[in-house]
Amino acid sequence: AQSVTQLGSHVSVSEGALVLLRCNYSSSVPPYLFWYVQYPNQGLQLLLKYTTGATLVKGINGFEAEFKKSETSFHLTKPSAHMSDAAEYFCAVSFTGTASKLTFGTGTRLQVTL
Amino acid sequence: GAVVSQHPSWVICKSGTSVKIECRSLDFQATTMFWYRQFPKQSLMLMATSNEGSKATYEQGVEKDKFLINHASLTLSTLTVTSAHPEDSSFYICSARPGQGGSPLHFGNGTRLTVT
Repeated sequence: AQSVTQLGSHVSVSEGALVLLRCNYSSSVPPYLFWYVQYPNQGLQLLLKYTTGATLVKGINGFEAEFKKSETSFHLTKPSAHMSDAAEYFCAVSFTGTASKLTFGTGTRLQVTL
Repeated sequence: GAVVSQHPSWVICKSGTSVKIECRSLDFQATTMFWYRQFPKQSLMLMATSNEGSKATYEQGVEKDKFLINHASLTLSTLTVTSAHPEDSSFYICSARPGQGGSPLHFGNGTRLTVT
């Protein structure tokens, strides 16, 4: 069975500091991996995705993530945090198939301080 | 592109009444849509997979008679919470994808349901 683990339910960084949100997955087949961001009382917005090909994926708002098969990880990073990055971030995994389900991690709340 | 519209964004209803939530894919056709439920400060839990022209597939523990799903067209799925109770109060989010498993899900903005 597939699963996603996000280490750290809360992460706090200073504005301008590096953002690192951790995500590890468990899968018996090659996964598709996603990072979503959720602002209060809103749906989820896709930040980036990994399906095949280049393991370093660049997304919107300056975020990127690297798929490391050997570590079963897909950590999200951003070189310099901005106040507007404060939100809930979800890592998710799915597999091939027209109706494949998306399994979410428990989420990490990012706080950005001055 | 790939916009998913959800309506209403919030609703307050009395205990015992029913509430219908609509989910529309505005610029693509979706044979499959997904309904999620999110409790405060928690992750999204998949409730059911809505299939156009056929019955929805419910996740274990989700009451299909309470959460009625209808997917009558390629662009519209509805979730009806029947005989709502306060414990049904939650944030409900629908999603759909324009392609197959590798394409990302696009989410509606969610519906905040409060049952009094």
